[in-house]
Amino acid sequence: NAGVTQTPKFQVLKTGQSMTLQCAQDMNHEYMSWYRQDPGMGLRLIHYSVGAGITDQGEVPNGYNVSRSTTEDFPLRLLSAAPSQTSVYFCASSYTTSGSPKYFGPGTRLTVT
Amino acid sequence: AQTVTQSQPEMSVQEAETVTLSCTYDTSESDYYLFWYKQPPSRQMILVIRQEAYKQQNATENRFSVNFQKAAKSFSLKISDSQLGDAAMYFCAYTTSGAGSYQLTFGKGTKLSVIP
Repeated sequence: NAGVTQTPKFQVLKTGQSMTLQCAQDMNHEYMSWYRQDPGMGLRLIHYSVGAGITDQGEVPNGYNVSRSTTEDFPLRLLSAAPSQTSVYFCASSYTTSGSPKYFGPGTRLTVT
Repeated sequence: AQTVTQSQPEMSVQEAETVTLSCTYDTSESDYYLFWYKQPPSRQMILVIRQEAYKQQNATENRFSVNFQKAAKSFSLKISDSQLGDAAMYFCAYTTSGAGSYQLTFGKGTKLSVIP
């Protein structure tokens, strides 16, 4: 199993550009989510999905869009990048069973200039 | 809303010694789960240990153990026989068992240095 994979590992964008961060998992997990990690802030939930076709907002959803067309993939779209979106982004997946540990991808470091 | 507090931004330990990282949380739930994650310089988030609130027995994983005090809402991580590879950021995290169990609430982390 590859686990949770994310691409790209690093990205630099200019303000106003759009892009998609890719996330895939091969563990047949129903639940997938996106977090952002900022210095001194811990990780905060952006969006999550409890299954194909079902998504919902987390704590900090503004400026991001998601969709879940398959169990395996959960891309995160930045619609119009802003410097405030400079962060490290993590994708995570787990079984939907309550308390199931979340498995994280390696992260994407995004810089918006 | 649930909150997780890690009051020690940085700690250090001598190699082979024992260190304890603190975590407190605030919740009105009676059933929930607590986790410790390790983030080395590689940035990968690695699950260290998991505790179920309804279990009184403290979780252990090799050199890692927790002291779970439900009434005090405290969940500390003890690392025994510290190794150089233990140097990392450590995050405490909480999730409820009911609605909202999709979300992990993280503390701000403790940076652990291991001195040879």
